[in-house]
Amino acid sequence: AQSVTQLGSHVSVSEGALVLLRCNYSSSVPPYLFWYVQYPNQGLQLLLKYTTGATLVKGINGFEAEFKKSETSFHLTKPSAHMSDAAEYFCAVSYRDDKIIFGKGTRLHILP
Amino acid sequence: DVKVTQSSRYLVKRTGEKVFLECVQDMDHENMFWYRQDPGLGLRLIYFSYDVKMKEKGDIPEGYSVSREKKERFSLILESASTNQTSMYLCASSLPLNNQPQHFGDGTRLSIL
Repeated sequence: AQSVTQLGSHVSVSEGALVLLRCNYSSSVPPYLFWYVQYPNQGLQLLLKYTTGATLVKGINGFEAEFKKSETSFHLTKPSAHMSDAAEYFCAVSYRDDKIIFGKGTRLHILP
Repeated sequence: DVKVTQSSRYLVKRTGEKVFLECVQDMDHENMFWYRQDPGLGLRLIYFSYDVKMKEKGDIPEGYSVSREKKERFSLILESASTNQTSMYLCASSLPLNNQPQHFGDGTRLSIL
């Protein structure tokens, strides 16, 4: 069965430091990949997506992610964390049937 | 922008009640989904619908049913609410293509007492 693994349910970084949130998927075929962000008491908002083409994808709020087929990874990065980045982040994959499989989420804490 | 609207942000009901959660989208999307979100478990798919009057079970359909009489509206029904159905419920919609993202409402935080 397809699955998505997010390493670390909580990640803390200092303001201004690099943000790295890890996501690995299991698949024998190339998936479509997404990162979503959820702020408190809100729904999920799309940050970025990879479908085809360039493997480095840029999203909103300065985030980007790189699809690495050989590592089955789609890690999310941001060069410099801001306090407003504190939220929960979900990696997701889509294979068929229009359904999306979500990871369990990583809560990002920003330290002043 | 796609707008997915869930009828209630917060809802408190009693055990045994029949509960209706409503979701409306304004972008003519064919696909609609209901998830529940619990700490440490991520999002779990309850039901989804590819078209009007069509529905399919997701991963955790027990205790729930759905209704889609109009393309823009997808309702989740708790037939007889139980305390273990206390959760955040999220509705989403999308175009019928694998490479299209889902668009989410703000969620309904449901408490069953």
